[in-house]
Amino acid sequence: GAVVSQHPSRVICKSGTSVKIECRSLDFQATTMFWYRQFPKQSLMLMATSNEGSKATYEQGVEKDKFLINHASLTLSTLTVTSAHPEDSSFYICSARSVGRSSPEQYFGPGTRLTVT
Amino acid sequence: RKEVEQDPGPFNVPEGATVAFNCTYSNSASQSFFWYRQDCRKEPKLLMSVYSSGNEDGRFTAQLNRASQYISLLIRDSKLSDSATYLCVVNREYSGGGADGLTFGKGTHLIIQP
Repeated sequence: GAVVSQHPSRVICKSGTSVKIECRSLDFQATTMFWYRQFPKQSLMLMATSNEGSKATYEQGVEKDKFLINHASLTLSTLTVTSAHPEDSSFYICSARSVGRSSPEQYFGPGTRLTVT
Repeated sequence: RKEVEQDPGPFNVPEGATVAFNCTYSNSASQSFFWYRQDCRKEPKLLMSVYSSGNEDGRFTAQLNRASQYISLLIRDSKLSDSATYLCVVNREYSGGGADGLTFGKGTHLIIQP
């Protein structure tokens, strides 16, 4: 099956610092990657759709200047949380869709748990 | 109406029993539906896609009712390892193109008891 990795799996940072999260598709190419966020006891919420070589599309209410997304290659997308605050503490999960697949199935990375102190 | 709505449970079910979950969705234009399973503090994993004709995979059966806009999941002969949160997921479709992405329900928590 398709494998998606994320790094780091867990990060603790101080308020005001920036954190970069990497999402990689390991055994397939992904033109589209998605970034989700999940707060405790809540559903996953789509933050943005990342397309290789173009600007990301952000969901309503998600600040594009705070959550910087770069999808520089068919196997790598990064999410940078800039000037993190405690309310940004959450479980961030990326997913990827394989190139050429007409099915909308997505494969999820293991997630990154961010804690901002 | 929420985009994807599920009963959060928990459903406490004895091992070997049959359990069913339902989910409703609000966007009648949605075309793709899935059930994902999420274990505590882990990423979601695709359990099965849901087709109009219904589909079965071992002990799991998924059904789609477009007229009523609901999706169901049936688990037969439940195992202890089936304990998890089951997420009803709808692929968001926009007319005229545009961003797509999965919309998740909050999930139904299932506990299989020995």
